[in-house]
Amino acid sequence: EVVLTQSPATLSLSPGERATLSCRASQSVSKFLAWYQQKPGQTPRLLIYDASNRATGIPARFSGSGSGTDFTLTISNLEPEDFAVYYCQQRMIWPPITFGQGTRLEIK
Amino acid sequence: QVQLVESGGDVVQAGGSLRLSCAASGFPFSSYALNWLRQVPGEGLEWVAFISSDGSLEHYADSVKGRFTISRDNSKNTLSLQMDSLRPEDAALYYCTRVRDAHGTNIIFDYWGQGILVTVSS
Repeated sequence: EVVLTQSPATLSLSPGERATLSCRASQSVSKFLAWYQQKPGQTPRLLIYDASNRATGIPARFSGSGSGTDFTLTISNLEPEDFAVYYCQQRMIWPPITFGQGTRLEIK
Repeated sequence: QVQLVESGGDVVQAGGSLRLSCAASGFPFSSYALNWLRQVPGEGLEWVAFISSDGSLEHYADSVKGRFTISRDNSKNTLSLQMDSLRPEDAALYYCTRVRDAHGTNIIFDYWGQGILVTVSS
């Protein structure tokens, strides 16, 4: 099973700043990593798939990078609506499909 | 637009059974693989089960294998999850999700239902 470890667990930033979230896989998942955003009381939303492709309707301030075992989600110029929990998910080696434990992005 | 609406959640005693359903609309149902995921409120996401577009291929998380059965009725645009021998640790919000690419098994979850709550009392 591929274990995904996200860091930091919590990130405190202010609107307008840049957020950098990390996801590390226990073995290579090539480019097959996705990122999801979940706001309180809401369903997760697909942001990025295959490491760097933005999903439909996702603003350009969200970008993804990485391959193999190390991946990054960058949110430039944070908007108030960006404060949420972010999960990474791999689909390279499954079953099982696995998720990271999440990073909470909170307002400083 | 794509809609996934779960139903069937309830309070059930440990050892009991429950059947969840997901009614889909707004897309060619028989062309897309589907999944069930779950989330304990306030905690992370856990993949539960996968079924291919034609229903011929199923996969399960080890935590539910042998107890849960995923199925679909392409004539009724409905996905189901039969949950038997329920345990307290199965209590969660269960999501019905669609994969992004038609006719594929690229597990990228692009549409999610709102979720349905399953509570298991011990």
